[in-house]
Amino acid sequence: DAGVTQSPTHLIKTRGQQVTLRCSPISGHKSVSWYQQVLGQGPQFIFQYYEKEERGRGNFPDRFSARQFPNYSSELNVNALLLGDSALYLCASSLDGFYGYTFGSGTRLTVV
Amino acid sequence: EDQVTQSPEALRLQEGESSSLNCSYTVSGLRGLFWYRQDPGKGPEFLFTLYSAGEEKEKERLKATLTKKESFLHITAPKPEDSATYLCAVQGKILTGGGNKLTFGTGTQLKVEL
Repeated sequence: DAGVTQSPTHLIKTRGQQVTLRCSPISGHKSVSWYQQVLGQGPQFIFQYYEKEERGRGNFPDRFSARQFPNYSSELNVNALLLGDSALYLCASSLDGFYGYTFGSGTRLTVV
Repeated sequence: EDQVTQSPEALRLQEGESSSLNCSYTVSGLRGLFWYRQDPGKGPEFLFTLYSAGEEKEKERLKATLTKKESFLHITAPKPEDSATYLCAVQGKILTGGGNKLTFGTGTQLKVEL
């Protein structure tokens, strides 16, 4: 069985640009959550989606947005990139948004 | 606000030298305490979920325990392949939206040497 798939694996962007990160959850899982992990820190919650509806948002600016599609895949968009947005972006897949979060390998975003 | 504190920040062990990692937490309405292992440049790998004080779970050389204020990850006779960062997280309810989120600690970086 395929695990959580994230793309791209690495990305380099310039300040002020926009970026879209993608996540495909485990087959049958209906919930996707996004986390940002800065080097040396634990992951920090950005969004949770369940059945295509936003179920929660962390303490991130409006430059961060996300959506979940009918096939349960998800995109995270970040506008007007700042140097401080450089991080590992992780997607977590869950059957129902409560039990058992499986993480993908992440997208390493570098803003220069 | 939910908070998780892990100690020590880093731990160096000799192969076979058992030890424990600590995770202290505060959360309004615990919906599970999670332990993950993370290798450099990879996503966290699930180890255990504990839901109530007194609960214990084991997997190979690892054993996780939970009290009302903290959790311990005991590592018995570790091997070099156990070297990784171990993350603790608590699941709490998101007040607006009704979802759930994990709040992570900063992790314990474990190095096991021959």
